Amino acid sequence: SQELEQSPQSLIVQEGKNLTINCTSSKTLYGLYWYKQKYGEGLIFLMMLQKGGEEKSHEKITAKLDEKKQQSSLHITASQPSHAGIYLCGAINAGNNRKLIWGLGTSLAVNP
Amino acid sequence: SAVISQKPSRDICQRGTSLTIQCQVDSQVTMMFWYRQQPGQSLTLIATANQGSEATYESGFVIDKFPISRPNLTFSTLTVSNMSPEDSSIYLCSVWTVQETQYFGPGTRLLVL
Repeated sequence: SQELEQSPQSLIVQEGKNLTINCTSSKTLYGLYWYKQKYGEGLIFLMMLQKGGEEKSHEKITAKLDEKKQQSSLHITASQPSHAGIYLCGAINAGNNRKLIWGLGTSLAVNP
Repeated sequence: SAVISQKPSRDICQRGTSLTIQCQVDSQVTMMFWYRQQPGQSLTLIATANQGSEATYESGFVIDKFPISRPNLTFSTLTVSNMSPEDSSIYLCSVWTVQETQYFGPGTRLLVL
């Protein structure tokens, strides 16, 4: 079965620093979703990637899907305390039944 | 996009009781799901809420424990029955839109004593 591995598991950065979170799949990704979750709250949709080599940006967050469609990265430029939270990646499986396979999440803390 | 509301936002319940969680979406959506997120863990899919018919449950989840209703395209309920402390979790309603994007509700934080 397909598995998603996120790294790092947790991250503490100083405000203003750049950071990258990775999401790696054991199989080809047919669609990759990034979400952010504040502690104890629901998930906020960030971006969705489908094509190999695709890159999308929203404010200071950029997500990329590699050409082989087995790894995605989420890059935050000049991090702010508002970026703190848990980042989750979810992938569409080969059956495309909309039941996403989820990573375990990356917990991000940004110190002012 | 889709705006999803859930009620209640949080609750503290006694073991053996039941709690019904409501999920309301502001637009018609293609699919609705219920997830559970236990402390420190990722998302676990409980079931797909089907409009006008019985929900489709994932392995490890049964209708007697988690009865689900979806009377129309924009509303669903999840009941957590005969609760035990192991049911303490965040319960999330989720929908898929025609734009092939999944959105989540704000979650219901449940603590069972």
